[in-house]
Amino acid sequence: KAGVTQTPRYLIKTRGQQVTLSCSPISGHRSVSWYQQTPGQGLQFLFEYFSETQRNKGNFPGRFSGRQFSNSRSEMNVSTLELGDSALYLCASSLWTSQETQYFGPGTRLLVL
Amino acid sequence: GNSVTQMEGPVTLSEEAFLTINCTYTATGYPSLFWYVQYPGEGLQLLLKATKADDKGSNKGFEATYRKETTSFHLEKGSVQVSDSAVYFCALIPNQAGTALIFGKGTTLSVSS
Repeated sequence: KAGVTQTPRYLIKTRGQQVTLSCSPISGHRSVSWYQQTPGQGLQFLFEYFSETQRNKGNFPGRFSGRQFSNSRSEMNVSTLELGDSALYLCASSLWTSQETQYFGPGTRLLVL
Repeated sequence: GNSVTQMEGPVTLSEEAFLTINCTYTATGYPSLFWYVQYPGEGLQLLLKATKADDKGSNKGFEATYRKETTSFHLEKGSVQVSDSAVYFCALIPNQAGTALIFGKGTTLSVSS
């Protein structure tokens, strides 16, 4: 069974731009969670989606948003990029809920210049 | 609140040495506990997990036991290899709906031959 895939793997943007990252969960998994990883803050939860609905949200500004499609694929969007948004963005999928084991993708490394 | 505390690294060992990475947690109720590993330039891989007190998770020679009385989940391996060099994250997820994985800050392990 294929694992979680994320595209693109690397991205360079400039301040003020917006970006969209994509995540395809493991086949059959319905819950998708997003995390931000930075050297200073570590791994922080962004949000979780299930059945096209946001089920849980972390403490991030409204510039960070996401959505999930009927095939469980998910996208996250960051608008008006700031230098501090440079990070590794990780997507994780689980079968039904985030309380189950989450399997992570390779991440998208975003650099904001 | 819920939190995870890991020993700070880096941990530097010679091949075939014994490894312990300490992890303690604070949580209400009975969370599930996880160890994830991150190799350079990659996402997180699930190493092992335990979902209730006294459970022992094991994988690839690594072990960790869920100790409710000491709120700990220390990672051990009897004989490390150079290929074990990576960052190790202890994590928990509370046993309640609407919660997300909470990670420790990670411990870098470097194994030399």
